[in-house]
Amino acid sequence: QSVLTQPPSVSAAPGQKVTVSCSGSSSNIGNHYVSWYQQLPGTAPKLLIYDNNKRPSGIPDRFSGSKSGTSATLGITGLQTGDEADYYCGTWDSSLSVVFGGGTKLTVL
Amino acid sequence: QLQLQESGPGLVKPSETLSLTCTVSGGSISSSSYYWGWIRQPPGKGLEWIGSFYYGGSTFYNPSLKSRVTISVDTSKNQFSLRLSSVTAADTAVYYCARHHELGRPYFDYWGQGTLVTVSS
Repeated sequence: QSVLTQPPSVSAAPGQKVTVSCSGSSSNIGNHYVSWYQQLPGTAPKLLIYDNNKRPSGIPDRFSGSKSGTSATLGITGLQTGDEADYYCGTWDSSLSVVFGGGTKLTVL
Repeated sequence: QLQLQESGPGLVKPSETLSLTCTVSGGSISSSSYYWGWIRQPPGKGLEWIGSFYYGGSTFYNPSLKSRVTISVDTSKNQFSLRLSSVTAADTAVYYCARHHELGRPYFDYWGQGTLVTVSS
């Protein structure tokens, strides 16, 4: 049982937009920055979003992040088959621990 | 370009100690700007933070693993290590080392490729 709650799966057609939610509490998301990671099959996670809504160099602006209260959202526009992956949110928790969501599998239909 | 590489045994017997090393190249683990940590991922499951250290001398562990985990540093080799004692099958996972920023905003920007550790007799 992960501290942060994500939907197990989402899907959309190529070219469409999809969002992935990440729900937490005041102990974590509500008072700390959120980051998002993309994990392609068989590879290490890759940083997509940090500090709620910032993109590292090289990450296309098709990827966006937002936070409101105790929830965060990852948005992906112009879906491509190459975006099929698992997506994880992460943040700091007041229990003195880095916490992650359980992950969301994105299927591009 | 910063690179991290995990190394260590791929098979550990139950009740024994898992030991892994992360070798960092292209940057120094002595940098005061970053934390260095371990994350694991059981087969088919999500990510779990194990612990991190800060070169200034602080070490932080996941409360659920704290009693069994030790992270140590060898600055002469630019390496840091993980020891997890009394392992069981539940500790079977891909283990990653990674760099991250301050704990209040712990985003992991560089990761190793990961190494699978299986706990089995």
